[in-house]
This record gives sequence, structure tokens and C-alpha cells, in this order.
Amino acid sequence: DSGVTQTPKHLITATGQRVTLRCSPRSGDLSVYWYQQSLDQGLQFLIQYYNGEERAKGNILERFSAQQFPDLHSELNLSSLELGDSALYFCASSSGLAGGNTGELFFGEGSRLTVL
Amino acid sequence: AQSVTQLGSHVSVSEGALVLLRCNYSSSVPPYLFWYVQYPNQGLQLLLKYTSAATLVKGINGFEAEFKKSETSFHLTKPSAHMSDAAEYFCAVSSTGGFKTIFGAGTRLFVKA
Repeated sequence: DSGVTQTPKHLITATGQRVTLRCSPRSGDLSVYWYQQSLDQGLQFLIQYYNGEERAKGNILERFSAQQFPDLHSELNLSSLELGDSALYFCASSSGLAGGNTGELFFGEGSRLTVL
Repeated sequence: AQSVTQLGSHVSVSEGALVLLRCNYSSSVPPYLFWYVQYPNQGLQLLLKYTSAATLVKGINGFEAEFKKSETSFHLTKPSAHMSDAAEYFCAVSSTGGFKTIFGAGTRLFVKA
């Protein structure tokens, strides 16, 4: 058990809909990362938050947005869903931002999104 | 910019044989390097990491990896494969501060009885 909790584990929805994925990081971790894993794209970095602020952005679509709340949990919002958004979405956390943070990530078990 | 290349999307070995999974990286700054393993229906978990200390890094489950700066490589090895090693393995690189960790495409390891 990594200590990172993601909900829901599975989600089936239709094209054009909007969903929210939730992540609770390990106790004490300030950084939260979102990754998308699909068969054709592999593991793609989407976005990182540190203590409530956005710190790094990857291949995140404009239809997607995220935030980190004061209690450090994070939500990834996916809107106007398309068939190609079907994927496994992982949340990961790490202890800090710099000065000792080697980038080691602790992953949740993922949220599998199926868009029909 | 940093990048990671894993050679071979699939590797198949016999039980008891040597496991060798290849990873080459590109980084403009001294990198931190990682191997993660993903078992079916699970998230990724850290196998081992290189953070500029010893170049030969030992990880969990008998795996080890050697950092070779001259070859920009960080190959993962295990002397004797076990059926339970069947999984997908990801090489990853990050820079100081861990702002963004870049993952390779992954190598799926099959272990034959």
C-alpha cells in the first residue's frame, strides 16, 4: 500500500460528459502529480501541484483541469469527454518540491476511465 | 530537456535466466534515475533509484541497476528470473528538485516456466 488513495477505481461514462477524479496523497506529502496511461501513449505526465499551487504542466489538454485543495487532496476534472480519453489515470505524490526531493513518486492504484 | 528510451517493449526470459531491461537517458543536468514496476491492475511502485551516490544500485526483489554516465545508460538486471517478476517495468528520469519525472514507454517482462 503506497498510502495514495484514488477514487473512483472505475468509471464508465459517455462522450461529451464531465467527470472528476479524486486523489488523497500520502500523509505529509505536499506534491501531487497526475499521469495518464493509455496503450498508445504510454505514461504521460499531465500536471503537478505543490502545496496548492500548480508547479509543472505536461501534456494536459485544455478540456482537463486540476486543483489541489488546502487539505492537500487533488481533483482532476475531465470535460467534453472523447473516446480517446479512455485511459488509466494515476495520481502520485512526493514529499517535497526541491532540496532533497529526488523525484521519487508514490502512486495510487489508478482510476480507469471508459468513455463510450 | 530530459528523455528516457527503453529498448524493447517486450522481453521474454525463462525462469531462472538472467533478466536485462535496457534504459538510456538524456539529461542536460545530473539526473536522478529510477526503475518502477507495475503489476497487473496496480499502480507503479519504486524498484530502485540512483541519486548520485553509488553507481551500482540495489533494489527490491533482487533487482539492481548500474548507472553508466559515459553510455548514458541505467540498465536493470536480475541474475535469476522468477515467475513473479512478470510485470511492466518503467525507467524514469528527473532533475534536481523533482519538478517533473519523465517515464519511458515501459518494457513488459514475460517469464516462461
